[in-house]
Amino acid sequence: ETGVTQTPRHLVMGMTNKKSLKCEQHLGHNAMYWYKQSAKKPLELMFVYNFKEQTENNSVPSRFSPECPNSSHLFLHLHTLQPEDSALYLCASSPGGNGYTFGSGTRLTVV
Amino acid sequence: DQQVKQNSPSLSVQEGRISILNCDYTNSMFDYFLWYKKYPAEGPTFLISISSIKDKNEDGRFTVFLNKSAKHLSLHIVPSQPGDSAVYFCAASDASGTYKYIFGTGTRLKVLA
Repeated sequence: ETGVTQTPRHLVMGMTNKKSLKCEQHLGHNAMYWYKQSAKKPLELMFVYNFKEQTENNSVPSRFSPECPNSSHLFLHLHTLQPEDSALYLCASSPGGNGYTFGSGTRLTVV
Repeated sequence: DQQVKQNSPSLSVQEGRISILNCDYTNSMFDYFLWYKKYPAEGPTFLISISSIKDKNEDGRFTVFLNKSAKHLSLHIVPSQPGDSAVYFCAASDASGTYKYIFGTGTRLKVLA
């Protein structure tokens, strides 16, 4: 149990579908993050939330829509994705200082 | 432009020997560095960190060295064990208060029994 739980673990969706990824942390952290990991690329920061407020959007296309209803939950709403969006999506949380705790990720395949 | 670089995509080491994983960065404002380890189908897990006020931090078999003038850090694993086989990411952050880390592309370490 890492303290950061991501669901689902795997997701296959068509390009016209709408789906959501969920992240929940039980660590009392105030900052939450979405990262994308594609093959042979660095972990790419997508969004940062601090005390439920979005503090960073790293030029992410609007087909990815984050939502942070409270400091413990983070969602990533997906719609009209492209096959190149297939990747591992990682959620992380932080107490606002040194380092993250990551979830296990959602392996997304867009067909 | 990639601010954190891990130029070796893979490394193979014999069990019991030393593994050295390297990381270079370009942003002189980075002042805190982390190493993460990732197994397949799992999220990265924190391994060791170093602040820019130090040049070395040690935790059991793992030691991280920081050379600020060269903008270079390295992770040493001694002795290497088969269970160390994983992908290792270095990450860096600045003191801007945004609490965000920039990651390298990772190095896949394989420890041969």
